[in-house]
Amino acid sequence: NAGVTQTPKFQVLKTGQSMTLQCAQDMNHEYMSWYRQDPGMGLRLIHYSVGAGITDQGEVPNGYNVSRSTTEDFPLRLLSAAPSQTSVYFCASTPNRGGDIQYFGAGTRLSVL
Amino acid sequence: GQQVMQIPQYQHVQEGEDFTTYCNSSTTLSNIQWYKQRPGGHPVFLIQLVKSGEVKKQKRLTFQFGEAKKNSSLHITATQTTDVGTYFCAGPGAGSYQLTFGKGTKLSVIP
Repeated sequence: NAGVTQTPKFQVLKTGQSMTLQCAQDMNHEYMSWYRQDPGMGLRLIHYSVGAGITDQGEVPNGYNVSRSTTEDFPLRLLSAAPSQTSVYFCASTPNRGGDIQYFGAGTRLSVL
Repeated sequence: GQQVMQIPQYQHVQEGEDFTTYCNSSTTLSNIQWYKQRPGGHPVFLIQLVKSGEVKKQKRLTFQFGEAKKNSSLHITATQTTDVGTYFCAGPGAGSYQLTFGKGTKLSVIP
């Protein structure tokens, strides 16, 4: 099993560009989440999904969209990148409900110029 | 909303010294989890505590869950350079299906 796979590992964008961060898991987990990590801020929940076709907002959802068409994939879309979205993004999955143990991907390091 | 606070934010220790990080939640937790993130890496699950007053050990690491299930601690005995990283606690609120993370304690170990 590869676990949780995130692509790309690094990305540089210009302000106003859009892009999609990919996340895939091969553990058949129902629950998936996106977090952003900024220095001194810990991990903040952006969006989450409790299963295919179901998504909801977390603590910091503005500027991001998600969809969950399959159990395996949970992409995160930046609609119009802003410098404030410079961060490290982690995707995580859990086999049960969202309050259970999280398995994280390696992260995407994004810089918006 | 639920808040999870961790102290200290940073800790520098000499190799061989002990280290403790504390975690406090504004609400009762159904469980608490601890994660470790190495520099440049991703958070990795260490342990989950579920019962009030529970204590668990992993080699030199001791984890405690408070009697009221609102606080927890991680103690490392005789730190080593391999312990370097940021330690996060995280927990769902009662009835919540979301995990809230503390801001972490960054541990530096001086050889």
